[in-house]
Amino acid sequence: EVQLVQSGGGLVRPGDSLRLSCVASGFTFSSYTMTWVRQTPEKGLEWVSSISTSSRNIYYADSVKGRFNVSRDNARNSLFLHMHSPRVEDTAVYYCGRIYAAIDFWGQGSPVTVSS
Amino acid sequence: ETVLTQSPGTLSLSPGERATLSCRASQHVDRYISWYQQRPGQAPRLLIYDASERAPGIPARFSGSGSGTDFTLSITDLEPEDFAVYYCQQRSKWPRTFGQGTRLDI
Repeated sequence: EVQLVQSGGGLVRPGDSLRLSCVASGFTFSSYTMTWVRQTPEKGLEWVSSISTSSRNIYYADSVKGRFNVSRDNARNSLFLHMHSPRVEDTAVYYCGRIYAAIDFWGQGSPVTVSS
Repeated sequence: ETVLTQSPGTLSLSPGERATLSCRASQHVDRYISWYQQRPGQAPRLLIYDASERAPGIPARFSGSGSGTDFTLSITDLEPEDFAVYYCQQRSKWPRTFGQGTRLDI
């Protein structure tokens, strides 16, 4: 059974750092592009970042470029999102996802609140 | 970026009826449109990819069509569990984008 289990959300102050994790099981993690998507009531679903199987190709939304870093550890079946200098507007539920033509499996979501 | 506009914003129907949801892209996206269902408190679930391909385990009452800029998700014989929010997404161009969603209400 494919599973994506997320951890690392919570309350963070503007300017601090936070790392979200997503541990995969039930499939060959190293064979899939992975992605992060966030959701707010105001903006709905927003694509954040995608990373290819070998980490060679990485893409970011303009809204997070230069502040967030995506990485993966294929040996540990893990995907990460490092949020540097988060802003209040980064407050959202963050989802990791597996890509096979579309986001065919999603993590359970990690709420992140950026507030002083 | 490619803007996806979904209509209607809210669709009020009854069980057993047919729902037709629209997604219009601001530029050509070939057939690279996916549809997701999201129930309250849950992560989105993939229904349709590449405009008309049903994801594994998705009932046949869900179908997708379209190409270029205009896409449709049809749901026949609505079941109570189908009342949720539906989103389209494109993977033709970076950045990937989502529509704002259509709420399907009883």
